[in-house]
Amino acid sequence: RKEVEQDPGPFNVPEGATVAFNCTYSNSASQSFFWYRQDCRKEPKLLMSVYSSGNEDGRFTAQLNRASQYISLLIRDSKLSDSATYLCVVIAGGFKTIFGAGTRLFVKA
Amino acid sequence: DGGITQSPKYLFRKEGQNVTLSCEQNLNHDAMYWYRQDPGQGLRLIYYSQIVNDFQKGDIAEGYSVSREKKESFPLTVTSAQKNPTAFYLCASKGYGYTFGSGTRLTVV
Repeated sequence: RKEVEQDPGPFNVPEGATVAFNCTYSNSASQSFFWYRQDCRKEPKLLMSVYSSGNEDGRFTAQLNRASQYISLLIRDSKLSDSATYLCVVIAGGFKTIFGAGTRLFVKA
Repeated sequence: DGGITQSPKYLFRKEGQNVTLSCEQNLNHDAMYWYRQDPGQGLRLIYYSQIVNDFQKGDIAEGYSVSREKKESFPLTVTSAQKNPTAFYLCASKGYGYTFGSGTRLTVV
């Protein structure tokens, strides 16, 4: 089992749709969680952190479920500009950081 | 603006040749990293450095070498021992979350 797993997609959704991605992790000692966005042939950029209490940033909501060991990203009212690959990042105790392979999202007009 | 600069953007390597990828940051971060990204895969750690004059091997260090003589600089050399070097190389530094450079796309010709 991979340490961090994501559904590779692609997710094809129309503009205005709500879409959700999950990311599961195997190390129960993992402490920090992030979502990154990566556009085609570009570097990943931090989208948002994921807190135990859940957090929201505009149309984006991130949640952490420690019991089931997964994090989620919800995008409401999808825009064409949301088309990208979304990477989950899990940091275990200390230094070890694991990047998921990413979930590809295509938002269609 | 603070950030990470990688150069060159594209690099072509002949068989048996060593090439060096540049990474410079002005974020005053102590920790710097080199990742490799292949299509459909997550980022894999090549080398990391948590302080000047010190660096550690990551998960796929074979065929690569680094130096960290200055806080701002963390160059990566892809040696002829790396048999499959064609990939997208990302340099990052860590403050709150990771900040990535724009990447170097290396191709063997």
